[in-house]
Amino acid sequence: DAGITQSPRHKVTETGTPVTLRCHQTENHRYMYWYRQDPGHGLRLIHYSYGVKDTDKGEVSDGYSVSRSKTEDFLLTLESATSSQTSVYFCAIRASGTRDSSYNEQFFGPGTRLTVL
Amino acid sequence: EDQVTQSPEALRLQEGESSSLNCSYTVSGLRGLFWYRQDPGKGPEFLFTLYSAGEEKEKERLKATLTKKESFLHITAPKPEDSATYLCAVQSLTGGGNKLTFGTGTQLKVEL
Repeated sequence: DAGITQSPRHKVTETGTPVTLRCHQTENHRYMYWYRQDPGHGLRLIHYSYGVKDTDKGEVSDGYSVSRSKTEDFLLTLESATSSQTSVYFCAIRASGTRDSSYNEQFFGPGTRLTVL
Repeated sequence: EDQVTQSPEALRLQEGESSSLNCSYTVSGLRGLFWYRQDPGKGPEFLFTLYSAGEEKEKERLKATLTKKESFLHITAPKPEDSATYLCAVQSLTGGGNKLTFGTGTQLKVEL
Protein backbone atom coordinates (compact mmCIF):
# COMPACT_ATOMS: atom_id res chain seq x y z
CA ASP A 1 0.00 0.00 0.00
CA ALA A 2 1.66 3.22 -1.17
CA GLY A 3 -0.73 5.39 0.85
CA ILE A 4 -2.59 6.75 -2.18
CA THR A 5 -6.22 7.76 -2.04
CA GLN A 6 -8.40 9.14 -4.80
CA SER A 7 -11.62 11.10 -4.51
CA PRO A 8 -14.30 10.81 -5.52
CA ARG A 9 -14.29 7.11 -6.37
CA HIS A 10 -17.28 7.46 -8.66
CA LYS A 11 -18.75 10.50 -10.38
CA VAL A 12 -21.46 11.09 -12.94
CA THR A 13 -21.58 14.52 -14.53
CA GLU A 14 -23.00 16.28 -17.55
CA THR A 15 -21.26 17.51 -20.66
CA GLY A 16 -19.85 20.99 -20.24
CA THR A 17 -19.48 20.93 -16.47
CA PRO A 18 -16.11 21.31 -14.74
CA VAL A 19 -14.81 18.33 -12.80
CA THR A 20 -11.89 18.02 -10.39
CA LEU A 21 -10.41 14.73 -9.26
CA ARG A 22 -8.10 14.58 -6.27
CA CYS A 23 -5.14 12.34 -5.56
CA HIS A 24 -3.67 12.33 -2.07
CA GLN A 25 -0.50 10.60 -0.91
CA THR A 26 0.92 10.29 2.57
CA GLU A 27 4.55 9.34 1.91
CA ASN A 28 6.09 12.52 0.50
CA HIS A 29 6.84 11.15 -2.97
CA ARG A 30 8.12 13.72 -5.44
CA TYR A 31 6.65 12.30 -8.64
CA MET A 32 2.90 11.89 -9.17
CA TYR A 33 1.00 10.87 -12.31
CA TRP A 34 -2.50 10.89 -13.74
CA TYR A 35 -3.53 8.15 -16.19
CA ARG A 36 -6.76 7.21 -17.88
CA GLN A 37 -7.70 3.62 -18.71
CA ASP A 38 -10.01 2.75 -21.58
CA PRO A 39 -10.80 -0.59 -23.23
CA GLY A 40 -8.44 -1.26 -26.13
CA HIS A 41 -6.07 1.55 -25.15
CA GLY A 42 -4.62 0.48 -21.88
CA LEU A 43 -3.29 3.05 -19.45
CA ARG A 44 -2.33 6.39 -21.00
CA LEU A 45 -0.52 9.21 -19.26
CA ILE A 46 -2.40 12.52 -19.01
CA HIS A 47 -0.10 14.73 -16.92
CA TYR A 48 2.57 14.25 -14.32
CA SER A 49 4.26 16.28 -11.61
CA TYR A 50 7.88 16.24 -10.48
CA GLY A 51 7.43 18.57 -7.54
CA VAL A 52 5.27 21.29 -6.06
CA LYS A 53 4.13 23.56 -8.89
CA ASP A 54 6.17 21.50 -11.41
CA THR A 55 4.04 19.66 -13.96
CA ASP A 56 4.31 18.43 -17.53
CA LYS A 57 2.09 16.94 -20.21
CA GLY A 58 1.63 13.30 -21.10
CA GLU A 59 0.36 11.78 -24.33
CA VAL A 60 -3.35 12.60 -23.86
CA SER A 61 -3.31 15.99 -22.11
CA ASP A 62 -5.80 17.90 -24.29
CA GLY A 63 -8.84 18.95 -22.28
CA TYR A 64 -7.13 18.38 -18.93
CA SER A 65 -5.20 20.58 -16.53
CA VAL A 66 -3.42 19.76 -13.28
CA SER A 67 -2.21 21.52 -10.19
CA ARG A 68 0.08 20.63 -7.34
CA SER A 69 0.25 23.22 -4.59
CA LYS A 70 1.30 20.73 -1.89
CA THR A 71 3.49 17.64 -2.07
CA GLU A 72 0.68 15.38 -0.96
CA ASP A 73 -2.06 16.52 -3.37
CA PHE A 74 -2.26 16.33 -7.16
CA LEU A 75 -5.46 17.60 -8.75
CA LEU A 76 -6.78 16.77 -12.22
CA THR A 77 -9.33 19.17 -13.70
CA LEU A 78 -11.56 18.74 -16.68
CA GLU A 79 -12.48 22.35 -17.47
CA SER A 80 -15.52 21.39 -19.56
CA ALA A 81 -16.21 17.68 -19.49
CA THR A 82 -17.02 15.82 -22.71
CA SER A 83 -18.37 12.32 -23.29
CA SER A 84 -14.96 11.25 -24.64
CA GLN A 85 -13.57 11.83 -21.15
CA THR A 86 -15.72 9.08 -19.71
CA SER A 87 -13.06 6.75 -18.33
CA VAL A 88 -11.41 5.32 -15.27
CA TYR A 89 -8.74 7.66 -13.91
CA PHE A 90 -5.78 6.42 -11.92
CA CYS A 91 -3.26 8.36 -9.92
CA ALA A 92 0.20 6.94 -9.35
CA ILE A 93 3.35 7.81 -7.45
CA ARG A 94 6.91 6.94 -8.34
CA ALA A 95 8.73 5.06 -5.66
CA SER A 96 12.10 6.35 -4.59
CA GLY A 97 14.91 4.30 -3.14
CA THR A 98 17.86 2.17 -4.05
CA ARG A 99 17.89 0.05 -7.19
CA ASP A 100 17.62 -3.12 -5.13
CA SER A 101 14.39 -2.11 -3.48
CA SER A 102 12.03 0.36 -5.06
CA TYR A 103 13.40 2.27 -8.01
CA ASN A 104 11.31 3.85 -10.74
CA GLU A 105 8.33 1.65 -10.03
CA GLN A 106 5.00 3.39 -10.02
CA PHE A 107 2.32 2.50 -7.50
CA PHE A 108 -1.30 3.16 -8.27
CA GLY A 109 -4.31 4.40 -6.40
CA PRO A 110 -7.73 2.70 -6.46
CA GLY A 111 -9.09 4.77 -9.36
CA THR A 112 -12.01 7.11 -10.05
CA ARG A 113 -14.74 6.02 -12.44
CA LEU A 114 -16.02 9.11 -14.26
CA THR A 115 -19.09 9.10 -16.48
CA VAL A 116 -19.90 12.16 -18.60
CA LEU A 117 -23.46 12.15 -19.92
CA GLU B 1 7.78 6.34 -30.10
CA ASP B 2 7.77 3.60 -27.46
CA GLN B 3 5.40 0.71 -28.12
CA VAL B 4 4.26 -2.29 -26.11
CA THR B 5 2.24 -5.20 -27.50
CA GLN B 6 0.89 -7.94 -25.27
CA SER B 7 -0.35 -11.36 -26.35
CA PRO B 8 -2.62 -13.14 -26.12
CA GLU B 9 -5.39 -10.65 -25.32
CA ALA B 10 -7.16 -13.31 -23.27
CA LEU B 11 -6.12 -16.70 -21.92
CA ARG B 12 -8.14 -19.43 -20.26
CA LEU B 13 -6.26 -22.07 -18.27
CA GLN B 14 -7.22 -25.02 -16.15
CA GLU B 15 -5.88 -25.00 -12.61
CA GLY B 16 -2.34 -26.40 -12.71
CA GLU B 17 -1.90 -25.78 -16.45
CA SER B 18 1.27 -23.72 -16.86
CA SER B 19 1.60 -21.10 -19.59
CA SER B 20 3.34 -17.87 -20.59
CA LEU B 21 2.22 -14.34 -21.40
CA ASN B 22 4.18 -12.30 -23.91
CA CYS B 23 5.14 -8.62 -23.93
CA SER B 24 6.92 -7.34 -27.05
CA TYR B 25 8.37 -3.86 -26.94
CA THR B 26 10.18 -1.23 -28.94
CA VAL B 27 11.86 1.55 -27.01
CA SER B 28 14.68 4.00 -27.60
CA GLY B 29 16.86 2.61 -24.84
CA LEU B 30 15.27 0.54 -22.09
CA ARG B 31 15.45 1.92 -18.57
CA GLY B 32 13.12 -0.75 -17.19
CA LEU B 33 10.27 -3.14 -18.00
CA PHE B 34 7.48 -3.52 -15.47
CA TRP B 35 4.80 -6.11 -14.88
CA TYR B 36 1.58 -5.34 -13.04
CA ARG B 37 -1.47 -7.32 -12.04
CA GLN B 38 -4.90 -5.68 -12.14
CA ASP B 39 -8.05 -7.09 -10.56
CA PRO B 40 -11.47 -5.84 -11.74
CA GLY B 41 -12.35 -2.45 -10.27
CA LYS B 42 -8.90 -1.93 -8.74
CA GLY B 43 -5.69 -0.14 -9.56
CA PRO B 44 -2.70 -1.99 -11.04
CA GLU B 45 -0.58 -3.81 -8.48
CA PHE B 46 3.18 -3.84 -9.04
CA LEU B 47 4.78 -7.26 -9.58
CA PHE B 48 8.28 -6.99 -11.10
CA THR B 49 10.87 -4.69 -12.62
CA LEU B 50 13.42 -6.02 -15.13
CA TYR B 51 16.34 -3.86 -16.22
CA SER B 52 18.52 -5.84 -18.63
CA ALA B 53 18.35 -8.77 -21.04
CA GLY B 54 18.80 -12.09 -19.31
CA GLU B 55 17.38 -10.90 -16.02
CA GLU B 56 14.74 -13.01 -14.26
CA LYS B 57 12.51 -12.31 -11.26
CA GLU B 58 10.25 -14.74 -9.38
CA LYS B 59 7.36 -14.42 -7.01
CA GLU B 60 5.34 -17.44 -5.95
CA ARG B 61 3.97 -19.02 -9.18
CA LEU B 62 5.13 -16.15 -11.40
CA LYS B 63 8.46 -15.72 -13.15
CA ALA B 64 9.31 -12.79 -15.42
CA THR B 65 12.11 -12.92 -17.98
CA LEU B 66 13.55 -10.32 -20.34
CA THR B 67 15.25 -10.33 -23.74
CA LYS B 68 16.20 -7.37 -25.91
CA LYS B 69 12.83 -7.44 -27.68
CA GLU B 70 10.34 -9.07 -25.34
CA SER B 71 9.46 -10.19 -21.87
CA PHE B 72 7.60 -13.28 -20.73
CA LEU B 73 5.53 -13.80 -17.63
CA HIS B 74 5.55 -17.52 -16.90
CA ILE B 75 2.79 -18.86 -14.68
CA THR B 76 3.51 -22.25 -13.16
CA ALA B 77 0.64 -24.41 -11.88
CA PRO B 78 -1.80 -21.49 -11.72
CA LYS B 79 -4.65 -21.27 -9.25
CA PRO B 80 -8.02 -19.54 -9.66
CA GLU B 81 -6.75 -16.65 -7.53
CA ASP B 82 -4.21 -15.88 -10.27
CA SER B 83 -7.10 -14.77 -12.48
CA ALA B 84 -6.55 -11.10 -13.34
CA THR B 85 -5.37 -8.83 -16.12
CA TYR B 86 -1.60 -8.68 -16.41
CA LEU B 87 -0.10 -5.44 -17.70
CA CYS B 88 3.35 -4.81 -19.12
CA ALA B 89 4.96 -1.37 -19.32
CA VAL B 90 8.30 0.06 -20.44
CA GLN B 91 10.27 3.07 -19.36
CA SER B 92 12.66 4.69 -21.80
CA LEU B 93 16.09 6.11 -21.08
CA THR B 94 15.16 9.15 -23.16
CA GLY B 95 12.49 11.62 -22.18
CA GLY B 96 11.84 13.00 -18.75
CA GLY B 97 9.52 12.17 -15.94
CA ASN B 98 10.19 8.43 -15.72
CA LYS B 99 7.09 7.92 -17.83
CA LEU B 100 5.63 4.49 -18.49
CA THR B 101 4.17 3.20 -21.76
CA PHE B 102 1.68 0.40 -21.17
CA GLY B 103 0.41 -2.47 -23.25
CA THR B 104 -3.29 -3.28 -23.31
CA GLY B 105 -2.89 -6.32 -21.10
CA THR B 106 -3.62 -10.06 -21.07
CA GLN B 107 -6.80 -11.12 -19.31
CA LEU B 108 -6.12 -14.44 -17.57
CA LYS B 109 -8.86 -16.74 -16.33
CA VAL B 110 -7.89 -19.84 -14.34
CA GLU B 111 -10.65 -22.39 -13.90
CA LEU B 112 -11.02 -25.29 -11.50
